[in-house]
Amino acid sequence: AQSVAQPEDQVNVAEGNPLTVKCTYSVSGNPYLFWYVQYPNRGLQFLLKYITGDNLVKGSYGFEAEFNKSQTSFHLKKPSALVSDSALYFCAGRGSSNTGKLIFGQGTTLQVKP
Amino acid sequence: KAGVTQTPRYLIKTRGQQVTLSCSPISGHRSVSWYQQTPGQGLQFLFEYFSETQRNKGNFPGRFSGRQFSNSRSEMNVSTLELGDSALYLCASSPPGIRETEAFFGQGTRLTVV
Repeated sequence: AQSVAQPEDQVNVAEGNPLTVKCTYSVSGNPYLFWYVQYPNRGLQFLLKYITGDNLVKGSYGFEAEFNKSQTSFHLKKPSALVSDSALYFCAGRGSSNTGKLIFGQGTTLQVKP
Repeated sequence: KAGVTQTPRYLIKTRGQQVTLSCSPISGHRSVSWYQQTPGQGLQFLFEYFSETQRNKGNFPGRFSGRQFSNSRSEMNVSTLELGDSALYLCASSPPGIRETEAFFGQGTRLTVV
């Protein structure tokens, strides 16, 4: 069965420090991987995606993610966290042949303290 | 360009009733997917529609159903509501013929079953 896992329920960082939100995947074939962010009572906002090509993907709001095939990971990173980055982050994946069905991780709450 | 629009934003229903949620995708998008988000189960895929046909289905009971109209608007229906159906229901749309693209999410409908 295909799955996406986010091993941390919550990540706490100080403003200005680098942040990492972890994600591992088990998706058949060539995986398509995504990161979304959710603010309270809102839908999901797209941050970035890995389809193919460079393992380091750059996205919105200064976020980036590194695809690591050998470790089946797709960790989200940002060099300098902002208080406004505090939100719920979801990693999602799907196989290349399955266009509509996204498999989500459990979500990680990022708390950035001033 | 208008985003994905979900109506209504909030609903309160009584156990045993049925409910219909609506989703208008981004103009030109023909794929519409539905997800249920709960604190305990996270984000779970319900179904996907493409050109008025159900293309994928998640592991939900038959009380959950959906349809898509010729203008790509979609509805989902839940019959015989249970307390456990209380959730945020998210709709996402994707453009046709571009398998690598991300899904665009609406703000969601918050359903409370009492």
